[in-house]
Amino acid sequence: DGGITQSPKYLFRKEGQNVTLSCEQNLNHDAMYWYRQDPGQGLRLIYYSQIVNDFQKGDIAEGYSVSREKKESFPLTVTSAQKNPTAFYLCASSIMAKETQYFGPGTRLLVL
Amino acid sequence: SQQGEEDPQALSIQEGENATMNCSYKTSINNLQWYRQNSGRGLVHLILIRSNEREKHSGRLRVTLDTSKKSSSLLITASRAADTASYFCATAGEGGNKLTFGTGTQLKVEL
Repeated sequence: DGGITQSPKYLFRKEGQNVTLSCEQNLNHDAMYWYRQDPGQGLRLIYYSQIVNDFQKGDIAEGYSVSREKKESFPLTVTSAQKNPTAFYLCASSIMAKETQYFGPGTRLLVL
Repeated sequence: SQQGEEDPQALSIQEGENATMNCSYKTSINNLQWYRQNSGRGLVHLILIRSNEREKHSGRLRVTLDTSKKSSSLLITASRAADTASYFCATAGEGGNKLTFGTGTQLKVEL
C-alpha cells in the first residue's frame, strides 16, 4: 500500500517546547515538502528537499527546522522560536520538483 | 508569496449544475495544477496542465489554460454533493523547484 503518512494526527505544544512532526513516504519520491495551512487559507511552503541530505527554505522557514537523512523520511521540528505555531501542517512528496505532489493526511498542532 | 488567486472565494450550487472556478497568476509558468481538499484532510491532485497545453479533461473535470491572460479555469460538470470541498490551483514557475498555491475556492454542492 503506497502512500505518505504523517503522525501524530493531533499534537499539543507547551510554551517553550520543541515538537517534531513525522512524515514518511514509500513512493520512492525524491522530493518532499512541508506546508503550513491556517484556517481559510492556502498552503504556505515551510521547507522542501529535492534529495537526501539537502533541503531549502520555503517562504516561512523561520522557527522551523528539518532534516533529510533518509529518502523516505522528512521530519519537521517546530521550535520554541515559532511564536504562532497553531496550524494544520501538511507534508507532500513528488517524483521530482514541479510535478504532481502527493499529500499526507496532515497534523494539527495546537498550543496549550 | 501567493502566486495563484482563485475566484470566486466561495461557490454554492445545486446538485447536477456545473461549477466553474478560476485561477489567475502573475509570472510565467511551467505547469499549473488543481487540487481538492475535503475539510480537515490532505490535498488530492486532480489535474496538471502544462504551459504548452490549452485544455485538458479528466472524467467530469475540464481545465483550460490561457497563458496570454495568465489564467486557468476548472469546470466540474454535473456536480454531486460529494464534490463539496475546497479547490486550489498551484503554479510551478519556469524557474525554481516548488509549487505556489492559491487561497482556494470553497465549493458547496447542495442536494
